[in-house]
Amino acid sequence: DTGVSQDPRHKITKRGQNVTFRCDPISEHNRLYWYRQTLGQGPEFLTYFQNEAQLEKSRLLSDRFSAERPKGSFSTLEIQRTEQGDSAMYLCASSLVTASSYNEQFFGPGTRLTVL
Amino acid sequence: QKEVEQDPGPLSVPEGAIVSLNCTYSNSAFQYFMWYRQYSRKGPELLMYTYSSGNKEDGRFTAQVDKSSKYISLFIRDSQPSDSATYLCAMSAFSWGKLQFGAGTQVVVTP
Repeated sequence: DTGVSQDPRHKITKRGQNVTFRCDPISEHNRLYWYRQTLGQGPEFLTYFQNEAQLEKSRLLSDRFSAERPKGSFSTLEIQRTEQGDSAMYLCASSLVTASSYNEQFFGPGTRLTVL
Repeated sequence: QKEVEQDPGPLSVPEGAIVSLNCTYSNSAFQYFMWYRQYSRKGPELLMYTYSSGNKEDGRFTAQVDKSSKYISLFIRDSQPSDSATYLCAMSAFSWGKLQFGAGTQVVVTP
């Protein structure tokens, strides 16, 4: 399977614990995005990387959130001291930015986080 | 007020009917307009994108963008039960940019 993969698919944690999610983009895609989707809402942008550089962060991404993309390959999203409000689906997407007219973002299946 | 507004539905139609979905937006910087389909507990998948104003057709799907009214639409002809999903509109200012999504409309096509 050559699509975007995310691990784990589901995570249940207790409030105050730290969690880390992984995203493996489509091979050679140079841009990687993280979004968060709560029940009944569309995905909301969190941050994106161009290769290993984090170029933009949403104000939704509080100090408890950190994302990395070492070597411009896979990415991790860590949430420290989780709160019940962090419960959501965390989606990763990747794209190959070229000079073409549109650069489609391909989404992974998401990691569903439940904070008890 | 959200930048992108979309009626969450649910929208229930009989098989074979035309499904009509729409979104309004407030940010005039948006140039790219997309429709994604999302099945339960799955990631969104791109159905169609349109650059600037105009119409675009792909099989049973037609997307329309009216930038002067800040209004976009998606029509699904000859709807099938397999079309039952949540349809998300999304927009961006640049082809590579972050996406701003609507809330999604749940569509149910009954046999």
